[in-house]
Amino acid sequence: DVVVTQFPDSLAVSLGERATINCRSSHSVLDSANNRNHLAWYQQKPGQPPKLLIHWASTRESGVPDRFSGSGSGTDFTLTISSLQAEDVAVYYCQTYYYSPPQWTFGQGTKVEIK
Amino acid sequence: QITLKESGPTLVKPTQTLTLTCTLSGISLTTPGAVVGWIRQPPGKALEWLGVVYWHEIKYYSPLLKSRVTITKDTSRNQVVLTMPNMDPVDTATYYCAVAADHGFPIWAQGAMVTVSS
Repeated sequence: DVVVTQFPDSLAVSLGERATINCRSSHSVLDSANNRNHLAWYQQKPGQPPKLLIHWASTRESGVPDRFSGSGSGTDFTLTISSLQAEDVAVYYCQTYYYSPPQWTFGQGTKVEIK
Repeated sequence: QITLKESGPTLVKPTQTLTLTCTLSGISLTTPGAVVGWIRQPPGKALEWLGVVYWHEIKYYSPLLKSRVTITKDTSRNQVVLTMPNMDPVDTATYYCAVAADHGFPIWAQGAMVTVSS
């Protein structure tokens, strides 16, 4: 089974400062056929469903501010919020897709707060 | 515009079977590429993928819950149904259905809170 671990579990960042969240998969999620990583990032605010922010590890969804960026490959990934805004307070999840057999696995979440 | 909406009980008793329905609009379940998944989230805890059903009927389930989760399609009603028998208080959670893809879940329903209690 694929295991996905996020760290830290929570972090507090001053407004305008950088927030960095890490995600590690027990299995590589790099698709060698197209050189894409099956890794997504979500933002979840209280009382709302998760919102897909980034897919293929680094491709922002339409409408997502460019202060959000994703990086990494294989088993290790990072979500960076370059300049934290008040509206970014949320829990962030990474999620992998592993193809054999198909399974989707979420990390345990990282809570981002204002310092 | 694609939308999804869950419906079903908000309260089930221990040992009962949970049946939740996800109704889709804006996309047909028979459209090639259409994949719908179920995810749940206990209060204050992380998201947990339960399973998916593809347009061509193939289904995949979480290895951890494979023996308890059944997902079916009703193409005439454009609905996907989640069934979980023998519910326990630890199954108390918000249950989401979502459009699935190999790059993630781009579209989610609002979620259905299900409490398991006698």
